[in-house]
Amino acid sequence: DQQVKQNSPSLSVQEGRISILNCDYTNSMFDYFLWYKKYPAEGPTFLISISSIKDKNEDGRFTVFLNKSAKHLSLHIVPSQPGDSAVYFCAASGWSGAGSYQLTFGKGTKLSVIP
Amino acid sequence: KAGVTQTPRYLIKTRGQQVTLSCSPISGHRSVSWYQQTPGQGLQFLFEYFSETQRNKGNFPGRFSGRQFSNSRSEMNVSTLELGDSALYLCASSARPGANVLTFGAGSRLTVL
Repeated sequence: DQQVKQNSPSLSVQEGRISILNCDYTNSMFDYFLWYKKYPAEGPTFLISISSIKDKNEDGRFTVFLNKSAKHLSLHIVPSQPGDSAVYFCAASGWSGAGSYQLTFGKGTKLSVIP
Repeated sequence: KAGVTQTPRYLIKTRGQQVTLSCSPISGHRSVSWYQQTPGQGLQFLFEYFSETQRNKGNFPGRFSGRQFSNSRSEMNVSTLELGDSALYLCASSARPGANVLTFGAGSRLTVL
């Protein structure tokens, strides 16, 4: 049972346009959400996050939106650049019940930005 | 400062063998988490160690085990390898357990033949 879902395995966008990556979650106990970016042959790196008490967080070209009622978050990249081509993982944090918080990741969306 | 170091980067094993992967966290980080990445399942949590104690464990069979040493370095072991164990194994470190922002290593790519 996947608690964090990224239903689009891949996305292609023209350079300069907006990229929108989507993520849905099922566990209402998740209270913090993050996006990680992964280039080939490298580990994932933290990109941006949002707390469940907010509905938007912006950092330069990257904005994350959270819709708690829909259990949905999205990452907007404006404008998209070729260097943004990577796999993006959505992650959610919640109490694991085993003594600490735990991150649950989605399967990832491969973004290709076409020059 | 040095990042998270994982060794070996690539390895090939045959079914039934066992494998040990190593992870050295960022200096000062005492929490180490392990994840398995496969194309079909994304990043799946294996376990987390803090101060040489396993704090949390994912839904993996007992063939997957780990440990952490007093210098915070961690190892994970997979025994009786199966073809489905072929994956990228990622280690991540943080200053405290349950942190949201993790620093990942580049991973160990395991191929089981």
